[in-house]
Amino acid sequence: QSVLTQPPSASGTPGQRVTISCSGSSSTIGNNYVYWYQQIPGTAPKLLILRNNQRPSGVPDRFSGSKSGTSASLAISGLRSEDEADYYCASWDDSPSGWVFGGGTKLTVL
Amino acid sequence: QVQLQESGPRLVKPSETLSLTCTASGGSISTYFWSWIRQPAGKGLEWIGRLSSTGTTNYNPSLKSRVTMSVDTSKNQFSLNLNSVTAADTAVYYCARDGVLSAFDIWGQGTMVTVSS
Repeated sequence: QSVLTQPPSASGTPGQRVTISCSGSSSTIGNNYVYWYQQIPGTAPKLLILRNNQRPSGVPDRFSGSKSGTSASLAISGLRSEDEADYYCASWDDSPSGWVFGGGTKLTVL
Repeated sequence: QVQLQESGPRLVKPSETLSLTCTASGGSISTYFWSWIRQPAGKGLEWIGRLSSTGTTNYNPSLKSRVTMSVDTSKNQFSLNLNSVTAADTAVYYCARDGVLSAFDIWGQGTMVTVSS
């Protein structure tokens, strides 16, 4: 049981816009930044979004993040086949202190 | 750009101690925190804990009683010890740079550790 809640799966067709949600609490998302990671099977996760909505250098602007209250979302527009991957959200938990992850969402591009 | 590489035994016997080292190249570990994260096959990511170059640590409460982390700044390395392992500790173990405002922005490639007799 993950501290952050994500849907186990999501899907879309090429060109579509999909969103992945991440639900937390007042001690996690409600009081701290949210980060998103993309993991292609067999590889290490890659930082996709930091501090709720910032993209690291090299991440396409098709990826965007948002946060409201104790929930956050990752949006992917102009879906491409190479976006098929697992996506994880993460946030700091104030009580007890430590990082927590969502259970992950497997994105399928149909 | 900093690169991270995990190393250590791939096979550990039940009840023994899992020991891994992460070596940083291309930059110093004297700033930032440095985390260990694991992922059982087919499952999600689990944060194990982190430490700073000065030895400050935070551990996952669910693993705290079995985890010890240490740092050797002279070798640009940090280490993980997880004792009393069981099959449930079988996973890919990653080390990652843990920035205050950038979370896990750099990851090692991961190393698969199997707990089995």
